[in-house]
Amino acid sequence: AQTVTQSQPEMSVQEAETVTLSCTYDTSESDYYLFWYKQPPSRQMILVIRQEAYKQQNATENRFSVNFQKAAKSFSLKISDSQLGDAAMYFCAYNTPSNEKLTFGTGTRLTIIP
Amino acid sequence: ETGVTQTPRHLVMGMTNKKSLKCEQHLGHNAMYWYKQSAKKPLELMFVYNFKEQTENNSVPSRFSPECPNSSHLFLHLHTLQPEDSALYLCASSPGNWRGNHEQYFGPGTRLTVT
Repeated sequence: AQTVTQSQPEMSVQEAETVTLSCTYDTSESDYYLFWYKQPPSRQMILVIRQEAYKQQNATENRFSVNFQKAAKSFSLKISDSQLGDAAMYFCAYNTPSNEKLTFGTGTRLTIIP
Repeated sequence: ETGVTQTPRHLVMGMTNKKSLKCEQHLGHNAMYWYKQSAKKPLELMFVYNFKEQTENNSVPSRFSPECPNSSHLFLHLHTLQPEDSALYLCASSPGNWRGNHEQYFGPGTRLTVT
């Protein structure tokens, strides 16, 4: 069975600094997708970034980038130039081309220190 | 309206009440989902609908009854709930065409309190 593990329940970072959130997963599939979702206090879950497993290049979206290590089954999220609006719960998630069901990690609560 | 909407945003109900949660997606998707989010627990997938057909029921108690009349609307009918059912209920949708990255789009959720 696929599992997603986020080992950091809480993280904090100074505004304008860089922070990295960790995620590991377990799967026997060779083709899959990985996602980072953000859930601010307003509760709406928003997709931050996604990575296709067949792509070697790490995905980037403005200040957000990932470090995808397929062999190690690791998928960390780096947030550069942290802003107050980045404060939220961040969830790592996984699915496959044959199954749209998402498997989520338990989340990391990120606090931004002004 | 754009994206995925959910009503009501907050609901307080007694254990003997019957209520319904509504979800609507304006994205042209064919798959819709109900999740339960409780404090300090991973999101729990409850139900999946693809092209109006239920494709997954994740061992959810019968006091939760889903309904999907069309690809744009999803309901969760609630009756005889227990206090431990208090949680945030999230609806999501995805393309449902078995191709692509199956990115899911979420609604704002309904905060349910059972008294």
